[in-house]
Amino acid sequence: QVQVVQSGAEVRKPGASVKVSCKASGYSFSDYYIHWVRQAPGQGLEWMGVINPGGGSTSYAQKFQGRVTMTWDTSTSTVYMDLSSLRSDDTAVYYCARDTQRRSMGWLDTWGQGTLVAVSS
Amino acid sequence: ETVLTQSPPTLSLSPGDRATLSCRASQSVRSYLAWYQQKPGQAPRLLIYDASNRATGIPARFSGSGSGTDFTLTISSLEPEDFAVYYCQQRSDWTYSFGQGTTLEIK
Repeated sequence: QVQVVQSGAEVRKPGASVKVSCKASGYSFSDYYIHWVRQAPGQGLEWMGVINPGGGSTSYAQKFQGRVTMTWDTSTSTVYMDLSSLRSDDTAVYYCARDTQRRSMGWLDTWGQGTLVAVSS
Repeated sequence: ETVLTQSPPTLSLSPGDRATLSCRASQSVRSYLAWYQQKPGQAPRLLIYDASNRATGIPARFSGSGSGTDFTLTISSLEPEDFAVYYCQQRSDWTYSFGQGTTLEIK
């Protein structure tokens, strides 16, 4: 079945960076975009960006441009989200989610389990 | 950047009631709007896409309507499992954004 499985929880100090992985299975990896969404404790959902594993193109929310990098590894069907210059308000659960549309952008229908990133000195 | 505003922030209803949730966009998003449901400790679940299409496996009591800047999610008769937080999301060009959410709570 289609699924995306994320890496485990991380703790970082302010100013550090974190890299979260999202491993896809059950479908043709290169055919579907992967999005990243985060949710701070008790807060709403925040879209961070999207990557096309089939061609490498990316789009990042303006808020994260310059701090986020999304990459992929076709050999392991894994997408990565790297966030740098971490601050305490980056503490959140980070989700990856597969797009609904093959080779295009649609909506987010297969979600990972979430990865808690805690930023604390 | 398109800003989505959801109302009300909290909706208190009873099982069997009809729920009407609103989402307003700061500029037209045509029909590029989706609704998600999120329960505590869980990832969001896609309910409605392209404003009015139910996602796979979503019960018929959920329906979406609207276009341009004003959208509505309707739950015709609330079941106990429907009490959750609901988010709208828009997409335009290569960017997406979410509304702040509406909490549907048991009255």
